[in-house]
Amino acid sequence: EPEVTQTPSHQVTQMGQEVILRCVPISNHLYFYWYRQILGQKVEFLVSFYNNEISEKSEIFDDQFSVERPDGSNFTLKIRSTKLEDSAMYFCASEMGSGELFFGEGSRLTVL
Amino acid sequence: GNSVTQMEGPVTLSEEAFLTINCTYTATGYPSLFWYVQYPGEGLQLLLKATKADDKGSNKGFEATYRKETTSFHLEKGSVQVSDSAVYFCALTPANGGSQGNLIFGKGTKLSVKP
Repeated sequence: EPEVTQTPSHQVTQMGQEVILRCVPISNHLYFYWYRQILGQKVEFLVSFYNNEISEKSEIFDDQFSVERPDGSNFTLKIRSTKLEDSAMYFCASEMGSGELFFGEGSRLTVL
Repeated sequence: GNSVTQMEGPVTLSEEAFLTINCTYTATGYPSLFWYVQYPGEGLQLLLKATKADDKGSNKGFEATYRKETTSFHLEKGSVQVSDSAVYFCALTPANGGSQGNLIFGKGTKLSVKP
């Protein structure tokens, strides 16, 4: 069964470092998303991506964040200069347009 | 604004017990409502959904009815199994504007089912 895959499963980084989280969405899907969940808090929408551009972003998704679909298969989330409060589980999701999102297992980011 | 509130966990039940996980929402208009489940070591999976008032979503023995009058979407199952142990998330997509995948989640409720 097709699935969304994310790498790395866990990354530890120093404050101020750049981090790239990678996702391979399901191959025929058209819409791509990043969500995050800070420990003990709600899963929060970050950004949606369609037709090679951002279609919506939340207040959390500031200038430190960027997304890219560089090669038609990967979908990446970059955090330019990590802060302590960026520590969270980051989930990638994709869908065909039916409204049913398929999520990856998540990438845990720990910023020290 | 739009928000989802679900009961705090963890919830611990014995096998074959009846399950209810409460979920209420705040939204303008008629949002679509969802339950997602996250099994250990896996990503979130859509469990069921309802797109309009009085709709009942159902899957794998789980049910939830979209109640506009009480702004609720409680998850129920008549007889839980050990394999139902997971974290359950209630979510909505806003009725007006926003991308279709802009899900607003509750905090999640961890369910543990003991044999």
